[in-house]
Amino acid sequence: QKEVEQNSGPLSVPEGAIASLNCTYSDRGSQSFFWYRQYSGKSPELIMSIYSNGDKEDGRFTAQLNKASQYVSLLIRDSQPSDSATYLCAVRYGRRYSTLTFGKGTMLLVSP
Amino acid sequence: GAGVSQSPSNKVTEKGKDVELRCDPISGHTALYWYRQSLGQGLEFLIYFQGNSAPDKSGLPSDRFSAERTGGSVSTLTIQRTQQEDSAVYLCASSGPGQGAYNEQFFGPGTRLTVL
Repeated sequence: QKEVEQNSGPLSVPEGAIASLNCTYSDRGSQSFFWYRQYSGKSPELIMSIYSNGDKEDGRFTAQLNKASQYVSLLIRDSQPSDSATYLCAVRYGRRYSTLTFGKGTMLLVSP
Repeated sequence: GAGVSQSPSNKVTEKGKDVELRCDPISGHTALYWYRQSLGQGLEFLIYFQGNSAPDKSGLPSDRFSAERTGGSVSTLTIQRTQQEDSAVYLCASSGPGQGAYNEQFFGPGTRLTVL
């Protein structure tokens, strides 16, 4: 059973702080990793993708991947109330199989 | 460009009725996926189409669920004899072109299905 685990939260941070969201996965054969943001009542929106060990930065977002430890994280710098949402971690296993396995998401609450 | 579109946005039906949900993927995307998300739950994979290959139906929860994709574009998810536990948001995503581990999936707005 391929699993993706996330702390359900909520993770509460004050405006301007760094929010750190973590995700672990069970299959060492995982190829690619994605972070989606989902506002209440809306569909998931792709924020970041990462494929290689290390950090990948895009604006206020940084994705970090450590394949040896089987975890991927998302850092949000200068958090804003508009970042309040559920963040979904998704993992793709293997090159041929394009389906994603999703974690249940971490709810982030950014207080003004 | 246009994103993934789904219709209807909301569907209320009575237990035992059949429903059809439609997905129109991003132009040029060869892969199309159906997921469902029940209240407070994660996304559950249902079915995956890639080009002209046989679909991956491994996520369909029962034989009441089926899907087809016509002309490599629009897809229809059909649920026969709906049950109350089928109530969920049904999400469609597409990716491509081609098939690869790094293809990013983009979601449509979803169809909220309520079975009374």
